[in-house]
Amino acid sequence: AQSVTQPDIHITVSEGASLELRCNYSYGATPYLFWYVQSPGQGLQLLLKYFSGDTLVQGIKGFEAEFKRSQSSFNLRKPSVHWSDAAEYFCAVGVVVGIQGAQKLVFGQGTRLTINP
Amino acid sequence: EADIYQTPRYLVIGTGKKITLECSQTMGHDKMYWYQQDPGMELHLIHYSYGVNSTEKGDLSSESTVSRIRTEHFPLTLESARPSHTSQYLCASSDNSYGIYEQYFGPGTRLTVT
Repeated sequence: AQSVTQPDIHITVSEGASLELRCNYSYGATPYLFWYVQSPGQGLQLLLKYFSGDTLVQGIKGFEAEFKRSQSSFNLRKPSVHWSDAAEYFCAVGVVVGIQGAQKLVFGQGTRLTINP
Repeated sequence: EADIYQTPRYLVIGTGKKITLECSQTMGHDKMYWYQQDPGMELHLIHYSYGVNSTEKGDLSSESTVSRIRTEHFPLTLESARPSHTSQYLCASSDNSYGIYEQYFGPGTRLTVT
């Protein structure tokens, strides 16, 4: 079965410091991978996605992620965090369901990011 | 910004009441989804739809039901709310192509059943 693991439930970094959020997935085929961010009381916003091609993908808000098939990982990085980056971050793998092309996202448990001033 | 809306944003209701959570999107997407998210936990798919008059159950068993009479509208109903239904419910949609494409999420409805 497909699964996503985010080992870090909560991370605290100082403003201006670099950030790496870990994500490991389990999926038998070529994975379609996503990172979403959820601010308090809000829905999910897509940061970036990986379908194929270049294993380093760029997203919005200065985020990037690197797909490493050998490690089944898709870690999210940012070189310098801002206070506004404080939020919950979810890694997900996309899976087709049924025969009519619907898809489901299998999510990790999320990593809560706190920024120290 | 994606054009997907959910109402109400917050709902506190007593046990046994019937409730309907509304979800609408203006992007013309055929595929729509409902996820349930307990505090501090991952999202789980509870319902999805391929298009009008199509509904399917997701991975997580849910006592809720859904309908899809119009492309833009995908409401979720609980006939008799219970405290165990307390959770956040997120609606999403994706475009019409086959394959894995990003899902656009609404802001969610936080439901509390007392």
